[in-house]
Amino acid sequence: ETGVTQTPRHLVMGMTNKKSLKCEQHLGHNAMYWYKQSAKKPLELMFVYNFKEQTENNSVPSRFSPECPNSSHLFLHLHTLQPEDSALYLCASSKAPSGSIEQFFGPGTRLTVL
Amino acid sequence: AQSVTQPDIHITVSEGASLELRCNYSYGATPYLFWYVQSPGQGLQLLLKYFSGDTLVQGIKGFEAEFKRSQSSFNLRKPSVHWSDAAEYFCAVGAMETGRRALTFGSGTRLQVQP
Repeated sequence: ETGVTQTPRHLVMGMTNKKSLKCEQHLGHNAMYWYKQSAKKPLELMFVYNFKEQTENNSVPSRFSPECPNSSHLFLHLHTLQPEDSALYLCASSKAPSGSIEQFFGPGTRLTVL
Repeated sequence: AQSVTQPDIHITVSEGASLELRCNYSYGATPYLFWYVQSPGQGLQLLLKYFSGDTLVQGIKGFEAEFKRSQSSFNLRKPSVHWSDAAEYFCAVGAMETGRRALTFGSGTRLQVQP
């Protein structure tokens, strides 16, 4: 595997379900990000992790719970979501903190909440 | 705080025609600028970036962009568009403030290519 991978690619869940999204980067980076991409809206940065520590949470509802066990893996745990949470969830990584700021993205997980 | 404006939501060009996608940014210091492309159902792929130096930067797939500080712009160009260039294009500006490394994205421009 190369670059940034995300699983699953598609997920359909009910509002009472609990599921997790997984992201893995194979680039030797130390910063990882979760973005939400909704139709007709700009990319929304949700969370930032640097060296496994959360450094940014952009007022994301608590029904989204991130986890970063090491610099290569990032999870987004989902519970009691709402239909408006349906979106493409993108993971990205970059060198941190002194390396290049450019981010490399995974293919995303298309989430549908029924 | 930085911001990015992409004035054109949707652009249609004929295959073989030239292309220019506009991007204006707002940032107090020297910006780090990027163009990304997203094909349907895919993540974002980096086309090119500007950090410093030559204001005309070359990217992948035959794209180039020019940084114009006086106009706060970073427009993306391609001399001859191919049908495979149909996608959504995002301009982004990077902040390097201490303790925070983040990209701010524009709303995107969807490019349609007519045969």
